[in-house]
Amino acid sequence: EAQVTQNPRYLITVTGKKLTVTCSQNMNHEYMSWYRQDPGLGLRQIYYSMNVEVTDKGDVPEGYKVSRKEKRNFPLILESPSPNQTSLYFCASSQVRLAPYNEQFFGPGTRLTVL
Amino acid sequence: EDKVVQSPLSLVVHEGDTVTLNCSYEVTNFRSLLWYKQEKKAPTFLFMLTSSGIEKKSGRLSSILDKKELFSILNITATQTGDSAVYLCAVEFRAGGTSYGKLTFGQGTILTVHP
Repeated sequence: EAQVTQNPRYLITVTGKKLTVTCSQNMNHEYMSWYRQDPGLGLRQIYYSMNVEVTDKGDVPEGYKVSRKEKRNFPLILESPSPNQTSLYFCASSQVRLAPYNEQFFGPGTRLTVL
Repeated sequence: EDKVVQSPLSLVVHEGDTVTLNCSYEVTNFRSLLWYKQEKKAPTFLFMLTSSGIEKKSGRLSSILDKKELFSILNITATQTGDSAVYLCAVEFRAGGTSYGKLTFGQGTILTVHP
């Protein structure tokens, strides 16, 4: 089954404790992206990647890191989480080809709480 | 500053009504505009628009882009309770010297359809 998976789905952590949210897709997509969603603010892009070893900042990259060592994986790293990073996080992927966003597939989301 | 603004922020209608959702944008190096539907889970893709004046249609939903006036509308005819959701508009563009792939979302329109 074609899908984007994220782990964990729910996480409660404390300020300053490094964490990684994994994202994996099995569709051989070139493009992957991370978003956070907060009430009243819609979705905001954190980082995106057009292909392996190519990453770019979205609108809200501060406090986050990403890597794209393999095509299928795009982990989101919070080196020192803070309470303002409490949010719902989505990973997404799509083919690039002519346009990146036909059929952009989203993962199920990771709800992160930082105390 | 690049921005995407959706209106109205919320809308309550009765089944059978027709609704029009608006999305205006101010970005440099525009490439495409996308519409998503989000229920109590991850967003699902509806349309991608790149050319002015060409209507995209899927069942009771349709959308059109005006690149001169920098806006798009999403129409839903004969609404049903299953159309209740948050509708998100996003614009893809190239920021600075980076590749395409940067997405900025609007705040979303919450549509509630009563029986």
